[in-house]
Amino acid sequence: DAGVIQSPRHEVTEMGQEVTLRCKPISGHNSLFWYRQTMMRGLELLIYFNNNVPIDDSGMPEDRFSAKMPNASFSTLKIQPSEPRDSAVYFCASSLAGHQETQYFGPGTRLLVL
Amino acid sequence: GNSVTQMEGPVTLSEEAFLTINCTYTATGYPSLFWYVQYPGEGLQLLLKATKADDKGSNKGFEATYRKETTSFHLEKGSVQVSDSAVYFCALSSGSARQLTFGSGTQLTVLP
Repeated sequence: DAGVIQSPRHEVTEMGQEVTLRCKPISGHNSLFWYRQTMMRGLELLIYFNNNVPIDDSGMPEDRFSAKMPNASFSTLKIQPSEPRDSAVYFCASSLAGHQETQYFGPGTRLLVL
Repeated sequence: GNSVTQMEGPVTLSEEAFLTINCTYTATGYPSLFWYVQYPGEGLQLLLKATKADDKGSNKGFEATYRKETTSFHLEKGSVQVSDSAVYFCALSSGSARQLTFGSGTQLTVLP
């Protein structure tokens, strides 16, 4: 069974550019989470979805960040415009509904904004 | 609100040494407690969990006991290996949403 798939694995972009991160959750999982990991702030929950519906986006830093889940097998996290302080590793995780504490993480996207 | 406090790292041990990573928590209600592990270049993986007071979670030689009286969930292993080198995260879930709240992580390096 494939785990959570994220793309790209690495992204280098310039300040002001749009960045789109992609995630494919484990088949059958109906909860999806986006996290950001930095040295300064550790692991932060940005947003999570249940059955493709955003449930809690209180962790999204500001309006430059948006996330969508158009279907059960795909989600995107978009940053527009990107800034150097957005540099981090972004993780996607999925779980079965009702078992949100047992999350399966993807390998992450390492983003560097110059 | 919920919070998790982990011992500051990094921790460096020799192979076969005893490991303890401290974790304490603050939570409303009756949380479930978890240890996740992140190996270099990978995402987090669930290592073990405990869902009620006095439960002991165990996996791969690691153990942690849910201590409600001290609000702690310390991770232990009797004899660490080089392959245990990773970042360890303590976490809790509580309330109806059951979202995870993570600690800051503790870097463990095991030297041969």
